[in-house]
Amino acid sequence: EVQLVESGGGLVQPGGSLRLSCAASGFIFSSYDMSWVRQAPGKGLEWVSVISGSGVNTYYADSVKGRFTISRDNSKNTVDLQMNSLRAEDTAAYYCAKDYGRIAVAAEGAFDIWGQGRMVTVSS
Amino acid sequence: DIQMTQSPSSLSASLGDRVTITCRASQSISTYLNWYQQKPGKAPKLLIYAASSLQSGVPSRFSGSGSGTDFTLTISSLQPEDFATYYCQQGYRTPYTFGQGTKLEIK
Repeated sequence: EVQLVESGGGLVQPGGSLRLSCAASGFIFSSYDMSWVRQAPGKGLEWVSVISGSGVNTYYADSVKGRFTISRDNSKNTVDLQMNSLRAEDTAAYYCAKDYGRIAVAAEGAFDIWGQGRMVTVSS
Repeated sequence: DIQMTQSPSSLSASLGDRVTITCRASQSISTYLNWYQQKPGKAPKLLIYAASSLQSGVPSRFSGSGSGTDFTLTISSLQPEDFATYYCQQGYRTPYTFGQGTKLEIK
């Protein structure tokens, strides 16, 4: 079964740090880009970051650039999101998501598998 | 950044109705447009990818169309399990961006 399971998160004070991890199973992990997407309480979806299958290329939303770092370990089938200098506006459920890949024309950039989500709350 | 604008933001409809949600991109994204369904407390679920391709396991009452800047998601005959929030998303260029969502409610 194709599956993504996130861990980490929780409550942190403003300015603090947290690390999220996502464990993948059921597919050839190194062949796919992986993203993090977040959703503030009662709000819409916001893409946060993506890492290429090899781990060489990473991209970030402007809202987290310079504070968050995405990484992956293809030997362990995991992708992490290190979050530093956290702000109240980073409070959200964070989802890891698998890119659909080049299965068809224009399929790249679609997210076909999602984790269950982990809540991050930034509050004093 | 590419802005995605969905309309309407909310929609009331009855079982069996045909409903259409539209999504407009601020610049051409070819067919790099995806649709998701999200129910409260759950992760989003991919319905349509590449503008018109039905994801495996998704009922055929869901369909998508469009290219360039204008796209639509159509549900041909609403079922009870379809009442949810729907998001469009462009996969053309990072930063990937989502529409603001359309909440589909029971009339």
